[in-house]
Amino acid sequence: GESVGLHLPTLSVQEGDNSIINCAYSNSASDYFIWYKQESGKGPQFIIDIRSNMDKRQGQRVTVLLNKTVKHLSLQIAATQPGDSAVYFCAEIPSSYKLIFGSGTRLLVRP
Amino acid sequence: ETGVTQTPRHLVMGMTNKKSLKCEQHLGHNAMYWYKQSAKKPLELMFVYSLEERVENNSVPSRFSPECPNSSHLFLHLHTLQPEDSALYLCASSQVRESANTGELFFGEGSRLTVL
Repeated sequence: GESVGLHLPTLSVQEGDNSIINCAYSNSASDYFIWYKQESGKGPQFIIDIRSNMDKRQGQRVTVLLNKTVKHLSLQIAATQPGDSAVYFCAEIPSSYKLIFGSGTRLLVRP
Repeated sequence: ETGVTQTPRHLVMGMTNKKSLKCEQHLGHNAMYWYKQSAKKPLELMFVYSLEERVENNSVPSRFSPECPNSSHLFLHLHTLQPEDSALYLCASSQVRESANTGELFFGEGSRLTVL
């Protein structure tokens, strides 16, 4: 069946360090992937996306890597800041209108 | 401000009540979504409307009834809910182009529902 899962439910990092959040997906038909950030009391917010014809995409302090061979996504956050503390979701889009979300990873940034 | 507004932000209701959640998007998008977010569970897609027609109904119990009167407004009517329906209900919108998957979803802040 279709599923998107995260390897680590909670990640604790020191402020200033880099963070890596991982995600596995199962649907080979998915050709578009998005990372969302959800802060407490708020809805998910778009961070960065990547299409299946790419293996890397960079934003401001964030990089998404896509490995289609092993169906794996990762989100790298450089120089993690306290404001990065949130739950991060990956989502895959196997067909129109359908986003399948992973279970989420909580990122805790230690001062 | 994401351009998607949900009301109420918090709702407490009994199992015999009838209530509605409202969502309004100011982004000119052509698709709107209801998602359910429970503790420790992935975001679950409930309903999708594209151009005011329902295009996805993810095996949601009939006690949840969506309504999309126009492309900017989406409702979720609630009737005889169960305590396990307590969750955060998130509305989202996106611009879907022909022959293309949906783009980025813009989410509202959610309506926190508690069923007693």
